[in-house]
Amino acid sequence: GAGVSQSPSNKVTEKGKDVELRCDPISGHTALYWYRQSLGQGLEFLIYFQGNSAPDKSGLPSDRFSAERTGGSVSTLTIQRTQQEDSAVYLCASSLARGWVGGEQYFGPGTRLTVT
Amino acid sequence: QKEVEQNSGPLSVPEGAIASLNCTYSDRGSQSFFWYRQYSGKSPELIMSIYSNGDKEDGRFTAQLNKASQYVSLLIRDSQPSDSATYLCAVDRDDKIIFGKGTRLHILP
Repeated sequence: GAGVSQSPSNKVTEKGKDVELRCDPISGHTALYWYRQSLGQGLEFLIYFQGNSAPDKSGLPSDRFSAERTGGSVSTLTIQRTQQEDSAVYLCASSLARGWVGGEQYFGPGTRLTVT
Repeated sequence: QKEVEQNSGPLSVPEGAIASLNCTYSDRGSQSFFWYRQYSGKSPELIMSIYSNGDKEDGRFTAQLNKASQYVSLLIRDSQPSDSATYLCAVDRDDKIIFGKGTRLHILP
């Protein structure tokens, strides 16, 4: 498909386990974003990539969270030693560029993470 | 002052009427403004972007930007029950995209 894809769509994990979430952006989009959304809450910015580099990691909640992007395409968000408060929907978005024209973000369907 | 502010709602509008959603932002340097719609349990979808002062129309949707007053609004004409959703305003600032908390819109049949 032509849209942003994310996998898995749902993930249930036990507290203390590590999880990896994957995002496949729209082909040709140079910018990629990760957000988190808890039930009934707004979007919480986590990290943004321009190409393979992450100029802005300011939203990562703790050092248990990390992300990488390879080949200017697929990105993975890794959460180590998951905690119950990590339970949320993790959304990925991509845009053609950053800032002015081309900054429109297109979101994937999200990964619902539940930590038991 | 929050960077991007929206009334959380719910905003109830009769079917067929005009729904008006407002958003204010704090940074005068912001250049790009976006409206997203999010249905319950779904991810946000882009409705419109606007970069210049004035109005931008797309079908039943009109975005209005006033940089001097630092507000951006979204008008939905001929509101339909399918327009019931949360509407998110987003603003580009200092190489970040800042989202508001969203306004819940309820169209009354």
